[in-house]
Formats: sequence, C-alpha cells, structure tokens
Amino acid sequence: AQSVTQLDSHVSVSEGTPVLLRCNYSSSYSPSLFWYVQHPNKGLQLLLKYTSAATLVKGINGFEAEFKKSETSFHLTKPSAHMSDAAEYFCVVSALNQAGTALIFGKGTTLSVSS
Amino acid sequence: DTAVSQTPKYLVTQMGNDKSIKCEQNLGHDTMYWYKQDSKKFLKIMFSYNNKELIINETVPNRFSPKSPDKAHLNLHINSLELGDSAVYFCASRLMGQGGSGDRYGYTFGSGTRLTVV
Repeated sequence: AQSVTQLDSHVSVSEGTPVLLRCNYSSSYSPSLFWYVQHPNKGLQLLLKYTSAATLVKGINGFEAEFKKSETSFHLTKPSAHMSDAAEYFCVVSALNQAGTALIFGKGTTLSVSS
Repeated sequence: DTAVSQTPKYLVTQMGNDKSIKCEQNLGHDTMYWYKQDSKKFLKIMFSYNNKELIINETVPNRFSPKSPDKAHLNLHINSLELGDSAVYFCASRLMGQGGSGDRYGYTFGSGTRLTVV
C-alpha cells in the first residue's frame, strides 16, 4: 500500500529564510509524488509533481523538491520564504499503472511565516 | 473557463436532511473523485468514477451515494445528514488514459464545498 508521512505538523520560519518541509513515502510501485498547497479557506493548488523524470522537480512560486529513492523522501524546499507562503502543505503519493489509483494525502504541514 | 466547478460553495443544513453536491469538469478528463477534508484538514478519498463506472468506493457510510450521469459530472448525494458529516468536500478529476497510467497528466481540484450540519 502507498502512504506518505509528513514529518512536521507545523513549521515556522522568518520571512527571507529558507523553507524545508519534510515528506517520506512508502510505495510498492514506482511512485508519482506531488506537493499541494492550500491557503486558508481556499482550494488545493498543485505546487509540483514527480512522475519518474528528473529527480529534482521545480514548481511554482520558487518551490522545488528532490526525489530520493534511497531515502524514500520527497522534501519540499524554497530558498527564501515570503509572507504569502503561509499555508497548509500536503505531500501526496499516487501509484503508476494501477486501475483505480487515487491520491493518498499526508496529514499536512502548516507553514507559518513571520516578518 | 476550463475547470472543475462545484456547487454549492457553502451548504448549511439541519441534521436528518438530504442534500446533494454537484461537480462538473470541462477538461475532457475521464476520471472523477470525491474527497473529504475533516476538521483537522486531513483529506481522504471517498469515491472515484472512470467513464461513469465506479472504480473506488472507500469505507463510507451508505448514506453517501455518488452518481455520474456522464463522464463530465459526478454528484454526491447524502441522506439523513449527521453532525459528523460536517466537512469540506472536494471534487477532482484527471485523465487516466489508456492502461491506467495517467498520473503524468495531473489532477485538478474544485474549490470545495463547505458542508455544515447543525
């Protein structure tokens, strides 16, 4: 079975400092991995996705993530946090080539950004 | 606009009522989903349809009944609403494609329906 574990429920950073949101995954198959962001009272927006191409994936708003198979990790990073980055972030896994596949969400990491 | 649209955006209703949430996508996708986000923001799959056929049916009370009249629509009907049904319900769609390996095409989510049962 596929699953993801977000290692931190809450991360606080200062504006202009780096962001690191950690995610480990478990998958019997070659996984597809995603990061989604949800701003307060808003819907889900795709930040980036890994689907077996380059292991370093660049997304929107300066975010990127690196797929590390040996560590079963897919951590999300950003060099410099902005106030508008404050939101809930979800690491998500899906499995390729399976009928009936759906996204399996992590429990989320709340990112707070202070000035 | 090309999108996944859900109606209504907000729904407040009394316990015991029956209500429906509608979802439509004009992206040409062949697979649609319903997800439930609880008060702790945890998102969990409820149902999935591929070309109008139910392919995922998670452990959900049978008061919840999805209906897909065509592959562009997936509605969710809830009977005898309970306080615990209060949540945000998200519709999503994607193009699964041939062979089921459609993850590279990505998923698109609707903006959610906030259901409050009082």
